Amino acid sequence: EPEVTQTPSHQVTQMGQEVILRCVPISNHLYFYWYRQILGQKVEFLVSFYNNEISEKSEIFDDQFSVERPDGSNFTLKIRSTKLEDSAMYFCASMLGRATKNIQYFGAGTRLSVL
Amino acid sequence: QKEVEQDPGPLSVPEGAIVSLNCTYSNSAFQYFMWYRQYSRKGPELLMYTYSSGNKEDGRFTAQVDKSSKYISLFIRDSQPSDSATYLCAMIKDTGRRALTFGSGTRLQVQP
Repeated sequence: EPEVTQTPSHQVTQMGQEVILRCVPISNHLYFYWYRQILGQKVEFLVSFYNNEISEKSEIFDDQFSVERPDGSNFTLKIRSTKLEDSAMYFCASMLGRATKNIQYFGAGTRLSVL
Repeated sequence: QKEVEQDPGPLSVPEGAIVSLNCTYSNSAFQYFMWYRQYSRKGPELLMYTYSSGNKEDGRFTAQVDKSSKYISLFIRDSQPSDSATYLCAMIKDTGRRALTFGSGTRLQVQP
């Protein structure tokens, strides 16, 4: 069964460093998302991406964050200068299209630890 | 007031029990409702999807939506230890926005 793949599973970085989190969405899906879950808190929407541009972003997604689909398969989230409060699980999700039932499929996540 | 409220639990039940999980929401713009299951340090896994008021059944799971009361439920029959996980309700507004708004999750423990 097709699945969303995220790498790495765990990323440790120093405060102020740049990190890139990688996702391979399900191959024929057209909508891509990033969510964040701080330990013990709820899953929060960061950004959605369609047709090679951001379609929506939350107030969390500030200038420190950027997303890119550099080729036909990868979808990346970059944090330019990490802060302690960026430590969280980051989930990528993909959806086939709006004509489908709005079902988003999630990857297993990348745990980001900022020291 | 939070857009989506969910009792965090934990909820502990014996194997075979019927489990009831609930969420309330405040914004009538929410039109599509999902239940996700999340095991520790894993991604959310879709269990049920509904968009109209009423019940939807899939095996041991029943999702119930009451839009007039802004209340959704997930029932698990004949609960198993493997059902032990965090259950997240999630919703989408019918405004073209497809971002999921999640509840905080209810941690369920099914005791053998």
